[in-house]
Amino acid sequence: TQLLEQSPQFLSIQEGENLTVYCNSSSVFSSLQWYRQEPGEGPVLLVTVVTGGEVKKLKRLTFQFGDARKDSSLHITAAQPGDTGLYLCAVRTTSGTYKYIFGTGTRLKVLA
Amino acid sequence: SAVISQKPSRDICQRGTSLTIQCQVDSQVTMMFWYRQQPGQSLTLIATANQGSEATYESGFVIDKFPISRPNLTFSTLTVSNMSPEDSSIYLCSALFVESYEQYFGPGTRLTVT
Repeated sequence: TQLLEQSPQFLSIQEGENLTVYCNSSSVFSSLQWYRQEPGEGPVLLVTVVTGGEVKKLKRLTFQFGDARKDSSLHITAAQPGDTGLYLCAVRTTSGTYKYIFGTGTRLKVLA
Repeated sequence: SAVISQKPSRDICQRGTSLTIQCQVDSQVTMMFWYRQQPGQSLTLIATANQGSEATYESGFVIDKFPISRPNLTFSTLTVSNMSPEDSSIYLCSALFVESYEQYFGPGTRLTVT
């Protein structure tokens, strides 16, 4: 069974600080997605990374796919209260299917 | 992209009763899924809602407990049957575009069973 471990589980930081969230597995994936979920809403797709070593930027968010395609990181620069939420990584269960499994989640709170 | 609505947004139900959750997508999609989520925790896939055929359930989930319908490419329902307090959770539907692998989620239905 594939398992996506995210760390840290919880993170509370002050506005303006930087942070990195990790998503790790022992399996190799063809692609990996990151989502953010705010209270009372469904997860929203932030990015999909496909190539080993790939780096994608979305404003203050930087996403990287590990060279071996087993892990990924999400770095937020100068965090803002609007970044508060549950961050989830997700991968397809097996190649050729459309089903996804989600990571254990990182709950981020940014204090003003 | 897709906009997904769910009804009801929340409900409090008594043990032993059933609740049907509706999911409406504003465009036709090939793939629709149902997930369960404990507040603040990750998502667990319940089943794939197949249009015109029986849903495909994940390990630990059965049709008698979670019957699913998908009469067309924009609508699906999930019924939580014979509810117990352990069924208290957030239930989310999603739609996935196979061309881009982009998945969109509804806002969820928060179910409390007393």
